[in-house]
Amino acid sequence: GQQLNQSPQSMFIQEGEDVSMNCTSSSIFNTWLWYKQDPGEGPVLLIALYKAGELTSNGRLTAQFGITRKDSFLNISASIPSDVGIYFCAGLPEAGSARQLTFGSGTQLTVLP
Amino acid sequence: ETGVTQSPTHLIKTRGQQVTLRCSSQSGHNTVSWYQQALGQGPQFIFQYYREEENGRGNFPPRFSGLQFPNYSSELNVNALELDDSALYLCASSSIVAKNIQYFGAGTRLSVL
Repeated sequence: GQQLNQSPQSMFIQEGEDVSMNCTSSSIFNTWLWYKQDPGEGPVLLIALYKAGELTSNGRLTAQFGITRKDSFLNISASIPSDVGIYFCAGLPEAGSARQLTFGSGTQLTVLP
Repeated sequence: ETGVTQSPTHLIKTRGQQVTLRCSSQSGHNTVSWYQQALGQGPQFIFQYYREEENGRGNFPPRFSGLQFPNYSSELNVNALELDDSALYLCASSSIVAKNIQYFGAGTRLSVL
């Protein structure tokens, strides 16, 4: 099935550093979402993007909906230990009867003290 | 908390058995989607239910089936379990009124021995 290419696969950073991760697709999406998943839990929504070019912030998190509608970026500023987890991008397609989410493979973030 | 509840939280079955997983959607959400998440991967779409009808299906065999009830809660049934069915099964609820954003439960961890 369709897949999103998410990178990097994993990151090890020092507390206080900024983090960037991105997601690309061969197909157009009309909504991009970023989720965070902690061990043993379901994904929790961080940011939702609805329009090409949109830049949205949620605290220290900022995400952008790419102009081509085929990519999205997530930035985390001044990382803290509780940012540890797996970050997933997900897209909702432009057409189709089922509003199924297509997920990236995730970015595992480790924050070192 | 998203308001999406899943039961049971953990389940152990043997190959060939059948299993039923349950999901209660967030208040006001009329659409339920099911995903399978294998270890180290992003969630994969199984199917979606809207108004008690299947509203789209991913690349999963017919032994994966579901139901949605008038109160919008849902069940996922898997027959003839295989070892590869071991995964975290996630339920997400959504509503067009809420821009079809999917909110996830904590999942059911299924182990097939």
